[in-house]
Amino acid sequence: EAGVAQSPRYKIIEKRQSVAFWCNPISGHATLYWYQQILGQGPKLLIQFQNNGVVDDSQLPKDRFSAERLKGVDSTLKIQPAKLEDSAVYLCASSQMGRGNEQFFGPGTRLTVL
Amino acid sequence: GENVEQHPSTLSVQEGDSAVIKCTYSDSASNYFPWYKQELGKGPQLIIDIRSNVGEKKDQRIAVTLNKTAKHFSLHITETQPEDSAVYFCAASKSGNQFYFGTGTSLTVIP
Repeated sequence: EAGVAQSPRYKIIEKRQSVAFWCNPISGHATLYWYQQILGQGPKLLIQFQNNGVVDDSQLPKDRFSAERLKGVDSTLKIQPAKLEDSAVYLCASSQMGRGNEQFFGPGTRLTVL
Repeated sequence: GENVEQHPSTLSVQEGDSAVIKCTYSDSASNYFPWYKQELGKGPQLIIDIRSNVGEKKDQRIAVTLNKTAKHFSLHITETQPEDSAVYFCAASKSGNQFYFGTGTSLTVIP
């Protein structure tokens, strides 16, 4: 089966600009996650969707980050305006309901904010 | 919330030797403990996981042990090979909820 797809793979922007990342989960996976991974650290959850509803967004900086999964399939994460400290890899993961907790990760988008 | 600590941060072993990575967690309600391998430029890939009703699980050269009383779990890799070189992350979660990841261990297997 195809894995989790993410695009773009790399993005370089100036601070205060906006950026958007796209994720397409594994077909049939109801749960979708966005993680932020700062260099040298483990991934940190930003937001979790179940179908098109938000399950957990407690660690999402809502003043600048937003995410949507309108049709319960693919998802977009946006940052506006970006700050230097947003430089990180943004990982998308998905999991299948009723199959335990295994999460499958995409390759990530490496964001550099200058 | 959950706090996961992981040690060591870096580990170098000779090819063929064993490698052990240890993690502790703080929330006794956590019941699922996956281990992920992350190679450069790629997303994390699940290599083994264990649930709280099991004390040990093995898959070929990889094994994980869990001590619920002490709230710690470990990854054991035997007969290491150069392709085992990567960053390894442990995580803890309560069923259906978010994963809390450790800070990672960079493993280098020296040929």
